[in-house]
Amino acid sequence: AAGVIQSPRHLIKEKRETATLKCYPIPRHDTVYWYQQGPGQDPQFLISFYEKMQSDKGSIPDRFSAQQFSDYHSELNMSSLELGDSALYFCASSHPDASSYNSPLHFGNGTRLTVT
Amino acid sequence: AQSVTQLDSQVPVFEEAPVELRCNYSSSVSVYLFWYVQYPNQGLQLLLKYLSGSTLVKGINGFEAEFNKSQTSFHLRKPSVHISDTAEYFCAVRRWGADGLTFGKGTHLIIQP
Repeated sequence: AAGVIQSPRHLIKEKRETATLKCYPIPRHDTVYWYQQGPGQDPQFLISFYEKMQSDKGSIPDRFSAQQFSDYHSELNMSSLELGDSALYFCASSHPDASSYNSPLHFGNGTRLTVT
Repeated sequence: AQSVTQLDSQVPVFEEAPVELRCNYSSSVSVYLFWYVQYPNQGLQLLLKYLSGSTLVKGINGFEAEFNKSQTSFHLRKPSVHISDTAEYFCAVRRWGADGLTFGKGTHLIIQP
């Protein structure tokens, strides 16, 4: 079965550079979520989109922005990168449901961002 | 706001022995409860979830969990573990009406032969 696809798998950037992470949800999934997982840490919710509109917002820094496109893929844009941004960034998607909060999240394998 | 406490950062257990991974949560509003498993260099996979109804929920790979409202707990159990169960396990809650999951710090399950 198709899964959530994230690209790139690994990314190395220098401080103050920008990075763009991409997420392709499972077909027919209309909700996308972004999470950040620091080394040895639990995943932290950043932001989510439903039908191309921002749905919920977590601990996303102002230097980060995201959007969902008409084909439902999403991009997380990160500017003025800092060393502390080094982490595993997960995207997840969920299937539309009568009660969307019941829909399980399907996670991608993540993009490992290293800021040097 | 809600929070999740996983009391054990590591749980070593022998193969074929039973295991319980503890999870307690706090929230001022109703929440949904989840357990996710994360294998090395992979994303999180849903093991099971509690939304409503029966407090004992069964998940994949032989795992089950019991929701205890009075103790605000959602402990994960498996009667007999295998080497392949070695992974990081995360308990999570999701507030009604919100998208984001709040995760615990995770429990590393170590299966010893």
